[in-house]
Amino acid sequence: QKEVEQDPGPLSVPEGAIVSLNCTYSNSAFQYFMWYRQYSRKGPELLMYTYSSGNKEDGRFTAQVDKSSKYISLFIRDSQPSDSATYLCAMVRGSYIPTFGRGTSLIVHP
Amino acid sequence: DTAVSQTPKYLVTQMGNDKSIKCEQNLGHDTMYWYKQDSKKFLKIMFSYNNKELIINETVPNRFSPKSPDKAHLNLHINSLELGDSAVYFCASSQVDRSQETQYFGPGTRLLVL
Repeated sequence: QKEVEQDPGPLSVPEGAIVSLNCTYSNSAFQYFMWYRQYSRKGPELLMYTYSSGNKEDGRFTAQVDKSSKYISLFIRDSQPSDSATYLCAMVRGSYIPTFGRGTSLIVHP
Repeated sequence: DTAVSQTPKYLVTQMGNDKSIKCEQNLGHDTMYWYKQDSKKFLKIMFSYNNKELIINETVPNRFSPKSPDKAHLNLHINSLELGDSAVYFCASSQVDRSQETQYFGPGTRLLVL
């Protein structure tokens, strides 16, 4: 079992839908949790960074962490075609070196 | 004014060759990394340098040798290229600010070994 599990998708939704992206992890030593967005043929860019259980909101994006269930989520409200990308979760144990999920491919169609 | 740049963007080469990928960051960050992203999109760290010193060296064949001539540059040299080395290689840099570390990735170098 990999340390971080993430469904690769693709996840296809209509414009305006609420998108839910998820990761599970097995190592309770993970302390920091991140979501990266990667457009095709580009490098990943950081979207959200959290280090505690609960919700963190930034515009249309909400990151949720449930440490007791070892489960993190990223919600995208009012999804747009420009949100079409691969979303990677990442987790850090304390050495600041992240362990990445394999990414979920999201397609938002007009 | 690109933050993290890599050259070349594409690299097609024969098995057995030696090649180098270059990375430069103009963010003034202390730490730089090399990642490998395979065809299944898994992103795995290979090396990490802090102020020109190697601090992380994951399980990577010793055919891969990073070199950091200064804080702003981290190059990756690969000897005796193999088919399995085909992947996208990303350089990244980071700075820790109030316990939050943000990594900035370069655009990637797409390596194809024939």
